[in-house]
Amino acid sequence: GESVGLHLPTLSVQEGDNSIINCAYSNSASDYFIWYKQESGKGPQFIIDIRSNMDKRQGQRVTVLLNKTVKHLSLQIAATQPGDSAVYFCAENIAGGTSYGKLTFGQGTILTVHP
Amino acid sequence: GAVVSQHPSWVICKSGTSVKIECRSLDFQATTMFWYRQFPKQSLMLMATSNEGSKATYEQGVEKDKFLINHASLTLSTLTVTSAHPEDSSFYICSARMGGDTQYFGPGTRLTVL
Repeated sequence: GESVGLHLPTLSVQEGDNSIINCAYSNSASDYFIWYKQESGKGPQFIIDIRSNMDKRQGQRVTVLLNKTVKHLSLQIAATQPGDSAVYFCAENIAGGTSYGKLTFGQGTILTVHP
Repeated sequence: GAVVSQHPSWVICKSGTSVKIECRSLDFQATTMFWYRQFPKQSLMLMATSNEGSKATYEQGVEKDKFLINHASLTLSTLTVTSAHPEDSSFYICSARMGGDTQYFGPGTRLTVL
């Protein structure tokens, strides 16, 4: 079958614009969500996280929004810079039980920032 | 703080040989370490969960006899790919957790099997 990985969503923005990266998660029992940035040939880098009892959390230049009703997560990057170019992954963590502590990663979005 | 290292960063080996990859938490003790595999342009797939002093828990479809995991101490876990074949070529990434939910990732190891 077709590999999802060959068709990663892409987002191209101009330097200085705001970027919004979306993610649909699968498990309604997930209680902790994380956004990671991965540059080519490197491991994932933590950006920001949010727990299921919140719907918004802000960091430096980044905001994560959580909509549990539709199981949707978004990452907003303000004043996007060329150094933000990377693949962005959302990850969900299921609370308790045998799946505790395991992260399930989304497929990723390629962000390209043009100077 | 919370730095995770991997060694080697890349390795090329012949088909049929075994390769060991080390994952170390440099400035904290990791109660749990995780091993992931990532193929080009794809997401990370969890292979196994490793707790210090106990056997690793493998995800469905991951061969435990092929991917041997040893978590000998609170700062070191190793992944050995036994009898490697070209289809095992991938980017292997470990992560470590102190006790909370946050996982800290290593820089990854690129394995190429000829």
